[in-house]
Amino acid sequence: NAGVTQTPKFRVLKTGQSMTLLCAQDMNHEYMYWYRQDPGMGLRLIHYSVGEGTTAKGEVPDGYNVSRLKKQNFLLGLESAAPSQTSVYFCASSTLSGRAFLEQYFGPGTRLTVT
Amino acid sequence: KNEVEQSPQNLTAQEGEFITINCSYSVGISALHWLQQHPGGGIVSLFMLSSGKKKHGRLIATINIQEKHSSLHITASHPRDSAVYICAVRKRETSGSRLTFGEGTQLTVNP
Repeated sequence: NAGVTQTPKFRVLKTGQSMTLLCAQDMNHEYMYWYRQDPGMGLRLIHYSVGEGTTAKGEVPDGYNVSRLKKQNFLLGLESAAPSQTSVYFCASSTLSGRAFLEQYFGPGTRLTVT
Repeated sequence: KNEVEQSPQNLTAQEGEFITINCSYSVGISALHWLQQHPGGGIVSLFMLSSGKKKHGRLIATINIQEKHSSLHITASHPRDSAVYICAVRKRETSGSRLTFGEGTQLTVNP
């Protein structure tokens, strides 16, 4: 049971390049999230998904797109990378027990640098 | 003003000391989470609570809904407790269990 995995772990991009970050979870969780973490700021939600085939915007969605074609995978895309997108990106997943949300499980993070 | 405020931002303690980290929030919530971020970057959930108190080993989390305040206590602190501790809230009537995070408290425990 690997939990939540993210690929890649590190990446350096040039301004204008595109890339996709992959998040995978093997816990059959319905809910998945992409966050970014920047120095001096708390984790901020980029996009999230409440189930396969659904996505929604979070606090800071501009410049990012997401897809959830399979329940276990949540992809984060950067169409045209900018230096302001230099950050550490975390994926997380969660589920319900009855009507109560359980804790979120986090991936190990992807450190992205845009030059 | 942030909806979730933590104090202190940085905390240095000697091994064995009792530690308290505070979290105040300004919105109605359905749950509050305490998370730990290791020096290597990984984030793990410590507690999720909506009332009262929870204990796990040397860690204790309390919440006062009326005062919109939570505390995380560490008894008999150890250098391996050195990490960033993050408070997060799930706002009432938020879809998808989205969380709003504080900026974190950097804890260093010296031997």
